[in-house]
Amino acid sequence: AQTVTQSQPEMSVQEAETVTLSCTYDTSESNYYLFWYKQPPSRQMILVIRQEAYKQQNATENRFSVNFQKAAKSFSLKISDSQLGDTAMYFCAFTGANSKLTFGKGITLSVRP
Amino acid sequence: DAGVIQSPRHEVTEMGQEVTLRCKPISGHDYLFWYRQTMMRGLELLIYFNNNVPIDDSGMPEDRFSAKMPNASFSTLKIQPSEPRDSAVYFCASSLLGGILDTQYFGPGTRLTVL
Repeated sequence: AQTVTQSQPEMSVQEAETVTLSCTYDTSESNYYLFWYKQPPSRQMILVIRQEAYKQQNATENRFSVNFQKAAKSFSLKISDSQLGDTAMYFCAFTGANSKLTFGKGITLSVRP
Repeated sequence: DAGVIQSPRHEVTEMGQEVTLRCKPISGHDYLFWYRQTMMRGLELLIYFNNNVPIDDSGMPEDRFSAKMPNASFSTLKIQPSEPRDSAVYFCASSLLGGILDTQYFGPGTRLTVL
């Protein structure tokens, strides 16, 4: 069974600075996708970024980028130039051949003005 | 596209009552997923459908829960009878291809409170 671990329950960052959220996972599959979802106070689950395991290049979406270390089974999210609107819970998630998304427990990120 | 639509957004009911949550997936998406989010257990997959057929319902907690997808544009999650421990946010999500091939898009969720 796949597991996703987010060991930090919460983090805080000053506006305009950079923050990195950590995630590790465990799987025996060789082909899979990893995701970061954002859940603001509105509760909506919003896709932030995704990474295909077969791609060595780290995914980037504007201010969001990942550090994907397949051998270490690590998938961290870096948010550059943090904005107040980035305040939310962030979930790391995994999906493999069975179509099921497995989520981590999430991390609460607060951006301070 | 309007995205995944869920109704109601909030539901408050009393223990023992029947609750029906509704979901309209993104048009053209072949996969539909139901999730439950609680503080204690986080986000859990309850069941998912492919082309209106339930594929995996191993996450459904017990017989009080049932889900249907009568057509490609509509699904329901029913709890009968409801219990206070069912209080949670229930999300519906859909994807075009499913599995490792695609991304799931979530609805806004239904916050269920069972008194």
